[in-house]
Amino acid sequence: QQQVKQSPQSLIVQKGGISIINCAYENTAFDYFPWYQQFPGKGPALLIAIRPDVSEKKEGRFTISFNKSAKQFSLHIMDSQPGDSATYFCAAGRGGNNRKLIWGLGTSLAVNP
Amino acid sequence: DARVTQTPRHKVTEMGQEVTMRCQPILGHNTVFWYRQTMMQGLELLAYFRNRAPLDDSGMPKDRFSAEMPDATLATLKIQPSEPRDSAVYFCASGFLNSGSYTDTQYFGPGTRLTVL
Repeated sequence: QQQVKQSPQSLIVQKGGISIINCAYENTAFDYFPWYQQFPGKGPALLIAIRPDVSEKKEGRFTISFNKSAKQFSLHIMDSQPGDSATYFCAAGRGGNNRKLIWGLGTSLAVNP
Repeated sequence: DARVTQTPRHKVTEMGQEVTMRCQPILGHNTVFWYRQTMMQGLELLAYFRNRAPLDDSGMPKDRFSAEMPDATLATLKIQPSEPRDSAVYFCASGFLNSGSYTDTQYFGPGTRLTVL
């Protein structure tokens, strides 16, 4: 019930294309769903996050789509650029005193010029 | 530009030796996380502190790992004795959480790359 399953493990997209990464969770108590971006040699950094009271959140070229009934959420990167090449992690967390995140295993994205 | 700092950035040691990794969280943050990252397991949460008190260390091998926060500006992760399977990148992250806040952002440091021979 604590797992977050992320797919695909790796993704290659042409410049200008759409990158889509999917995550699924089991625990319905989760109420916070962030995506983190990690470049080689760096720590992960928050990219965008969503709460279950909305079905979509957009920030620039990055959009989270959230399907509460299916317990799934996805990251869409529009007009993908070579600078977007990184590892992307989805995560899920819940309110209360213990606010730790449960992480997906990551998706390595390569955007070809 | 506030950021989480970690030392050392790289550590090569021999099996059986003690390893201590240090983290300085962002000033004012009340929550500190220690993670281990490997290709096979991804990001694993080892320990989690709130206001310097340990909240969750269920992901940490208790026989050889220990985590402490001697003060609000320093978190340490110690491995004694170290083993080759401990080779990984260890990240510290900090954040500010309170019961009424929706700001759950974790700010990661650059990591310590540990190699145990």
